[in-house]
Amino acid sequence: DQQVKQNSPSLSVQEGRISILNCDYTNSMFDYFLWYKKYPAEGPTFLISISSIKDKNEDGRFTVFLNKSAKHLSLHIVPSQPGDSAVYFCAASDSQGAQKLVFGQGTRLTINP
Amino acid sequence: KAGVTQTPRYLIKTRGQQVTLSCSPISGHRSVSWYQQTPGQGLQFLFEYFSETQRNKGNFPGRFSGRQFSNSRSEMNVSTLELGDSALYLCASSLVSAGGFSGNTIYFGEGSWLTVV
Repeated sequence: DQQVKQNSPSLSVQEGRISILNCDYTNSMFDYFLWYKKYPAEGPTFLISISSIKDKNEDGRFTVFLNKSAKHLSLHIVPSQPGDSAVYFCAASDSQGAQKLVFGQGTRLTINP
Repeated sequence: KAGVTQTPRYLIKTRGQQVTLSCSPISGHRSVSWYQQTPGQGLQFLFEYFSETQRNKGNFPGRFSGRQFSNSRSEMNVSTLELGDSALYLCASSLVSAGGFSGNTIYFGEGSWLTVV
């Protein structure tokens, strides 16, 4: 039972354009969501997070949108840069097991020059 | 400010042996959690410690155990290693704020690559 799903295993975007990574969840108890970027053989690097009381959070080129009714969140990267090429993971937690993250399977983003 | 530090970075063990991995959290972080990453199962939560007590546990067999020391450093141990235990083991830490356990950013270390042969 996969509670967090990233249905696109890969995404290819041209440099300078917008990258949109999607994530769906099934557990309505999740109230905190995070995006991580990961390079091979390294640990995940935190990018941005959002609480369920918000529907949008921005940090520089990164914006996360949360649609609670659809149990869907997305990460927008604008403009996309070659250094953004990596695997992106969506993760979720709930207040009861707050330090326990449930991860999606990841989306490999490739930025083409 | 130093990040989450894990040792060793790489190790090879034989089936049936046991292994201990070490983690030093970010200074001031009292919550430490462990995750396993494999190609087939992705990133999965093992357990979390706070103030030397295990607060959460994932769905792993009892061969996987951990502990946390008074300085918040943590170790995890896997006994009777199996080939399927080959994975990247990640330690993460978070600063549990005065507001409680929810909504805290969790930071990861570089991981320990374990290969079981």
